[in-house]
Amino acid sequence: AQSVTQLGSHVSVSEGALVLLRCNYSSSVPPYLFWYVQYPNQGLQLLLKYTSAATLVKGINGFEAEFKKSETSFHLTKPSAHMSDAAEYFCAVTLPWGNNNDMRFGAGTRLTVKP
Amino acid sequence: DGGITQSPKYLFRKEGQNVTLSCEQNLNHDAMYWYRQDPGQGLRLIYYSQIVNDFQKGDIAEGYSVSREKKESFPLTVTSAQKNPTAFYLCASSISGVSTDTQYFGPGTRLTVL
Repeated sequence: AQSVTQLGSHVSVSEGALVLLRCNYSSSVPPYLFWYVQYPNQGLQLLLKYTSAATLVKGINGFEAEFKKSETSFHLTKPSAHMSDAAEYFCAVTLPWGNNNDMRFGAGTRLTVKP
Repeated sequence: DGGITQSPKYLFRKEGQNVTLSCEQNLNHDAMYWYRQDPGQGLRLIYYSQIVNDFQKGDIAEGYSVSREKKESFPLTVTSAQKNPTAFYLCASSISGVSTDTQYFGPGTRLTVL
């Protein structure tokens, strides 16, 4: 079965610094991968998704992620952190021929941005 | 504005009671989902429905029930059989159920058992 592991349950960066949130996947075939953001007491919002087109995926709010098959990774980056980026981020994986009910979420990484 | 609404935002339940969480969408989506979120565990799928009058169990369906009588509505009942119901519950929908479809999430209901 497919799964994702998010390395680091908490990440803290200074405003203006690089944001790097790590996600590694396990799947028997090249999967589809997603990053979601959740602000306190709210639902999840899609940041970006990889569905086997370009390996470098650009999303909303200046975030991007690169699918690296050799490393089984899909890390999320942003060149310069903003205070409004403080939230919890979830990586998710599903199978290309599957349905959304096959989606599996990571445990989440809480991002803190220091002024 | 199109979107997903969940009510109530906060819900308190006494042990032994059944409670129903509401989820409504006006996005004209066929597929709807219920997830449970616990701290440090990500989201786990409780039930999903790909079409009206049909729904399937997810990974943690025990102690929960759903109905899908209307396209826009997918209520979740947390029964007294659910041993540890205190959690944050999220409803989502997508155009269809295929894996390329984006899931849109509601704001969630936080259930606390007293």
